[in-house]
Amino acid sequence: SQTIHQWPATLVQPVGSPLSLECTVEGTSNPNLYWYRQAAGRGLQLLFYSVGIGQISSEVPQNLSASRPQDRQFILSSKKLLLSDSGFYLCAIDARAYGYTFGSGTRLTVV
Amino acid sequence: LAKTTQPISMDSYEGQEVNITCSHNNIATNDYITWYQQFPSQGPRFIIQGYKTKVTNEVASLFIPADRKSSTLSLPRVSLSDTAVYYCLVGDIKPLGGSYIPTFGRGTSLIVHP
Repeated sequence: SQTIHQWPATLVQPVGSPLSLECTVEGTSNPNLYWYRQAAGRGLQLLFYSVGIGQISSEVPQNLSASRPQDRQFILSSKKLLLSDSGFYLCAIDARAYGYTFGSGTRLTVV
Repeated sequence: LAKTTQPISMDSYEGQEVNITCSHNNIATNDYITWYQQFPSQGPRFIIQGYKTKVTNEVASLFIPADRKSSTLSLPRVSLSDTAVYYCLVGDIKPLGGSYIPTFGRGTSLIVHP
């Protein structure tokens, strides 16, 4: 079965600091991968998705970037965090016939 | 992508049946309807998926009328632990190698009272 590993679970970072969130997947190959963000009291906002190594599509122009250096690794980064980057970040994998499987998420607080 | 509209919130009591309706007027022929459940500080969890008529599993039922312009998630005999946000998604599930870009709205916040 597919498993998503996402870390860290919580993170507190000062404004202007860099960010690197990692998501790794087990149990499948060549998955479609997604990064979502959920601000407090809001729905899920799709940030990036990837259909293969090195292929990144951005849904929302912002202070963040994503990379997929390996088939089952998806990284979300920022060079300089803003207060507005605070939120709950979720990695997801396309499970085809059964919708999407999400990771456990990272709660990011920018202070 | 088909846009979906759901109630922002609903209240219910333990033991009652809850029906959450999602409107998707511009659903496409190849689109499936999928519902997710999200608890606080957790990622959404797949509940049920359907294309037409009725689908039932151990957790819920999904009713889809013939025109497919709406769907209703039915939760039988809810308990306090069913308090969560429920999302309706509509999109095309393409064969392996394709891409499916799920778009979540704000969902429906269901609160179950004792």
